[in-house]
Amino acid sequence: DAGVIQSPRHEVTEMGQEVTLRCKPISGHDYLFWYRQTMMRGLELLIYFNNNVPIDDSGMPEDRFSAKMPNASFSTLKIQPSEPRDSAVYFCASRARGDQPQHFGDGTRLSIL
Amino acid sequence: SQQGEEDPQALSIQEGENATMNCSYKTSINNLQWYRQNSGRGLVHLILIRSNEREKHSGRLRVTLDTSKKSSSLLITASRAADTASYFCATDAGQAGTALIFGKGTTLSVSS
Repeated sequence: DAGVIQSPRHEVTEMGQEVTLRCKPISGHDYLFWYRQTMMRGLELLIYFNNNVPIDDSGMPEDRFSAKMPNASFSTLKIQPSEPRDSAVYFCASRARGDQPQHFGDGTRLSIL
Repeated sequence: SQQGEEDPQALSIQEGENATMNCSYKTSINNLQWYRQNSGRGLVHLILIRSNEREKHSGRLRVTLDTSKKSSSLLITASRAADTASYFCATDAGQAGTALIFGKGTTLSVSS
């Protein structure tokens, strides 16, 4: 079991650039989640999918953020244009069923200069 | 917004001592889960307790749940330096299939 795989692990870019974060969930998991973690706000849910369909995107900060899940084995979180306040660690997690534990990737540490 | 809040925010103990962390939440739940996060890594699931359970054990971990008080506690017995990490509680806000909402965590430091 390879676990949840995120890429890149680190991203440093300048304000205004487009940023794309990638996630490969555990095979067979029906749910996929994107979280953002900062010291000030803790771990915030951004969006989650069930069977590739977005269920709740109320945590997405603003229109600059978008997420897609074109198939069961891949998801992206895109920020365009990026701003310094987007700097955080972004986690992807997947889950088999509604009452099962969530499995997290090791995150992408994003720094916007 | 956080559904759960852990207390204390930080805890420092010596190896061999027990560590107790508390979590309070706001709405009804189906289950409550505890996770650990080592520095620079993702969260790792530790234990899940369902709303109709009062206590659960897993190795050196003991979790209690009091739904009347909307609170839970995580006890780590005979702590080790390797237990140094942040610990988070998470709840599902009472609806199966929804996303977990996490508290801000308790940072545990165990010194040898």
